[in-house]
Amino acid sequence: AQTVTQSQPEMSVQEAETVTLSCTYDTSESDYYLFWYKQPPSRQMILVIRQEAYKQQNATENRFSVNFQKAAKSFSLKISDSQLGDAAMYFCAYRSGNSGYALNFGKGTSLLVTP
Amino acid sequence: AAGVIQSPRHLIKEKRETATLKCYPIPRHDTVYWYQQGPGQDPQFLISFYEKMQSDKGSIPDRFSAQQFSDYHSELNMSSLELGDSALYFCASSPRWSPEGGANVLTFGAGSRLTVL
Repeated sequence: AQTVTQSQPEMSVQEAETVTLSCTYDTSESDYYLFWYKQPPSRQMILVIRQEAYKQQNATENRFSVNFQKAAKSFSLKISDSQLGDAAMYFCAYRSGNSGYALNFGKGTSLLVTP
Repeated sequence: AAGVIQSPRHLIKEKRETATLKCYPIPRHDTVYWYQQGPGQDPQFLISFYEKMQSDKGSIPDRFSAQQFSDYHSELNMSSLELGDSALYFCASSPRWSPEGGANVLTFGAGSRLTVL
């Protein structure tokens, strides 16, 4: 089974600054997908960004971008110009491209944004 | 845009009772997933359905069962409830295949919070 590791239980960033959340994963597959989901205090799970493993180009969504290092099995999330509304739990998730379509989540990183 | 609808949003049950959670996926989404998130935990995959057939099975206890109906809504049935079943239960839906190729994205409902006393 694939494992997803988020080594930072908590992170803190000042408003307007940049923060990077780490994620590593373990897999023997070559075809897979990676995601970052955000869970604010409302507990709603919201997709932040996704990356297909076959794409070399790093995904970007406005202030959110990833650094996808396939050989190192690393998938970090960079949040630029942090806003108070970015405060949430962030989950990294893996999805196989070969069998099963469910997401396998990491333990999460709690992001605090300070004024 | 239509979202994934879950009901009830909150449910309180006694130990050994039975609970049923319902999920209405986004229209034209043919795959439904159930997740359980305990306090301070990451979401754990329970089970999924594609075109009304069980697609994948995760850490779903034998006391739980689920199905997907002809209108694609899904129900999670939980029997002989235990204190440890207290959690937030998410339903998510997705198309099996992304129309533009690439990763099919799971869209989550707001969750059903089950409290077992």
